[in-house]
Amino acid sequence: SQQGEEDPQALSIQEGENATMNCSYKTSINNLQWYRQNSGRGLVHLILIRSNEREKHSGRLRVTLDTSKKSSSLLITASRAADTASYFCATAVVANAGKSTFGDGTTLTVKP
Amino acid sequence: EAGVAQSPRYKIIEKRQSVAFWCNPISGHATLYWYQQILGQGPKLLIQFQNNGVVDDSQLPKDRFSAERLKGVDSTLKIQPAKLEDSAVYLCASSSFRTEGSGANVLTFGAGSRLTVL
Repeated sequence: SQQGEEDPQALSIQEGENATMNCSYKTSINNLQWYRQNSGRGLVHLILIRSNEREKHSGRLRVTLDTSKKSSSLLITASRAADTASYFCATAVVANAGKSTFGDGTTLTVKP
Repeated sequence: EAGVAQSPRYKIIEKRQSVAFWCNPISGHATLYWYQQILGQGPKLLIQFQNNGVVDDSQLPKDRFSAERLKGVDSTLKIQPAKLEDSAVYLCASSSFRTEGSGANVLTFGAGSRLTVL
């Protein structure tokens, strides 16, 4: 069963615009992570936010977490064509903080 | 540091044949994962090891899939016999996470092994 679900499934924007994608989950978590996957490649870790944190930044990435709504958002500012990829959220529950359960992802296309 | 190594990168087999995938994790990483990613979907965890012990294999189809990590380093995932629905990319990942509470479960993934079952 899926723990996290990303929304939208697909997003197409122009270079320079901001991209926002969301993740909703069902049960209490220990942490939530975002990963990027370029076509035909493995996943790359972007950022981890713990359940007691509300916001984290890393370069052009901003992640928020609202545990009351069981949701998170990933904002990519000033997008570039190289940001074209699929983005996945992964949640780890308290019972097994080492087990990351992935959603089906948001496919982002950034047009030059 | 060297990344997670996987082989083979591609494999095509007939249904009911067997196949094995190999993974070498990042040196020192205690936890190793095998995920199955079907086209258009997110990765689904098949099995989680800590050293050479199984932590979670609740979603591993044990009638046809098996995995081992005998010396707590390399791991092998086997499918026997393969079905059409096993066509997917098999991703290996590792992390420094330990169930005792140390380490973060930040996963480093290999490039994956793409299996096509005809």
